[in-house]
Amino acid sequence: TQLLEQSPQFLSIQEGENLTVYCNSSSVFSSLQWYRQEPGEGPVLLVTVVTGGEVKKLKRLTFQFGDARKDSSLHITAAQPGDTGLYLCAQGSNYKLTFGKGTLLTVNP
Amino acid sequence: SQTIHQWPATLVQPVGSPLSLECTVEGTSNPNLYWYRQAAGRGLQLLFYSVGIGQISSEVPQNLSASRPQDRQFILSSKKLLLSDSGFYLCAWSPQGANYGYTFGSGTRLTVV
Repeated sequence: TQLLEQSPQFLSIQEGENLTVYCNSSSVFSSLQWYRQEPGEGPVLLVTVVTGGEVKKLKRLTFQFGDARKDSSLHITAAQPGDTGLYLCAQGSNYKLTFGKGTLLTVNP
Repeated sequence: SQTIHQWPATLVQPVGSPLSLECTVEGTSNPNLYWYRQAAGRGLQLLFYSVGIGQISSEVPQNLSASRPQDRQFILSSKKLLLSDSGFYLCAWSPQGANYGYTFGSGTRLTVV
């Protein structure tokens, strides 16, 4: 089973700041997904990246897939309190999705 | 459009009691179905997955079992709950044959007392 390492585990910032969270593995990803989860809810899919070097943007969120497909990052510009949540990366193979432990982001007003 | 329903939202059960959590999917056929457990609001642990009716794969040996009596119905059960079964249980589905595009239910918070 591929192990996904996410960093940092916790991040607390002020509204308006920028931030980056990371997802790394010792093995190559076939594809990588990013989810956001709010307290008491299920995770919601943000993006899927497939191609090495791929960059996808979702409003203020920028997702990057490493050239070697062993790492990914999520950058948030001008964070807002609504961005607060648990950010999870996940990798799928053989019909199963394996998750990292997540980065718990708190954006303070 | 596809929707996933999971209930109940919260459950408090005594140690030794049985458990039945139900999950249903609408708007799609022959989905892959999953049960995950999340402890302390962090990473998700895959418990069971199913690629078809009556086909269940278990990822972690434990006090729980799963069944898929109908194409779009997935049930998580236990005959006797343990304190360690407490947690946040999530059902999810994905298109048949896909390793992406998972959609999660809203979860069940189980507290065993």
